[in-house]
Amino acid sequence: AQSVTQLDSQVPVFEEAPVELRCNYSSSVSVYLFWYVQYPNQGLQLLLKYLSGSTLVKGINGFEAEFNKSQTSFHLRKPSVHISDTAEYFCAVSEDDYKLSFGAGTTVTVRA
Amino acid sequence: EAGVTQFPSHSVIEKGQTVTLRCDPISGHDNLYWYRRVMGKEIKFLLHFVKESKQDESGMPNNRFLAERTGGTYSTLKVQPAELEDSGVYFCASSRQENTEAFFGQGTRLTVV
Repeated sequence: AQSVTQLDSQVPVFEEAPVELRCNYSSSVSVYLFWYVQYPNQGLQLLLKYLSGSTLVKGINGFEAEFNKSQTSFHLRKPSVHISDTAEYFCAVSEDDYKLSFGAGTTVTVRA
Repeated sequence: EAGVTQFPSHSVIEKGQTVTLRCDPISGHDNLYWYRRVMGKEIKFLLHFVKESKQDESGMPNNRFLAERTGGTYSTLKVQPAELEDSGVYFCASSRQENTEAFFGQGTRLTVV
């Protein structure tokens, strides 16, 4: 069975500053990795995913994540955030590509 | 194309009552999933339908929960009788195939008092 740890529950950041959200996972087999975002009063939206190939994955809204197999990590980054990036972000893994295991979520608050 | 739709958006019920949550997946999506997020904790998988068949219900917490997907279209999740620990946000998601992106609904926030 796999588990996901999001190391930061709250991340305050100023507008136009960079942000990194940390995600570590544990699994005995190869996994697929995902980042989802939930904006206020909306459903979960897929930001990006890693299935195979290049370990640097680019997603929507300027986000990217890097898969590090040796460190079992999949950290999410954005070089310059906007107010509109205020949301809750979820890291998720799947061993079989349909059932997702989520982390507890990281709330990002962007301040002017 | 309409997204995944969940009804109601909020529900407040008393302990011991019955509540039914509904999910309308994206048209043509054979795969439908239910997840739940209890306050402050992770989003947890509940079950997976392929058309009208339950493929995996390993995440269902107990027999007070019953999910159906008659005709392979919309799905319902019934909680009977509801307990305080059932409070949380219930998400539904759908995908065209198992290995394609799952699209999530806005969730139903259930509060049991």
